[in-house]
Amino acid sequence: DIQLTQSPSFLSASVGDRVTITCRASQGISSYLAWYQQKPGKAPELLIYAASTLQSGVPSRFSGSESGTEFTLTISSLQPEDFATYYCQQLNNYPFTFGQGTRLEIK
Amino acid sequence: EVQLVESGGGLVQPGRSLRLSCAASGFTFDDYTMHWVRQAPGKGLEWVSCINWNSGHIVYADSVKGRFTISRDNARNSLYLQMSSLKAEDTAFYYCTKDIGVSGHRGFDYWGQGILVTVSS
Repeated sequence: DIQLTQSPSFLSASVGDRVTITCRASQGISSYLAWYQQKPGKAPELLIYAASTLQSGVPSRFSGSESGTEFTLTISSLQPEDFATYYCQQLNNYPFTFGQGTRLEIK
Repeated sequence: EVQLVESGGGLVQPGRSLRLSCAASGFTFDDYTMHWVRQAPGKGLEWVSCINWNSGHIVYADSVKGRFTISRDNARNSLYLQMSSLKAEDTAFYYCTKDIGVSGHRGFDYWGQGILVTVSS
């Protein structure tokens, strides 16, 4: 199975900050990587797919990039509604594994 | 509006069976691959299984292979997950999700609200 390692696992930041979350794959996955946001008690929501394509309706402050087996989710200016847990997911090989999650909290 | 609504969860004893259903609406159900994803309380996400549009391609996670069966009824716009020989570690919220595209796998763009399955004696 392909392992996805997210870093950091926990992040404390302030409104207006620029934050970056990294997801490293244990082997090549081309661009078959998605990012999700999950708030407590809610289902995950798709933010980014194909490593860098913004899902319809997602604010442009979210962006994704890739470099080899390292993928990055960037939030350019944190808003209060962005405090949540973020997961990456690879869809290159079965099983479609997720990273362990990054919890983003208000400083 | 796309909607995915799960049902059938609840408390079940170890070794018993349970069938989850997912009613889909707001899109052409039989165009899309569908998935089940689960999340143990307070834990991360785990992909469980997927089924393509005509049920010709089905894949399971090793953790459920041989115990769970995914199926769909395109005439009823419904997805199912038959779970048998349930274990305590199957306790989780189960989400029905939809592939974003009609070909390939790039992400899951719609999710149900989740249904809790608790396996305990």
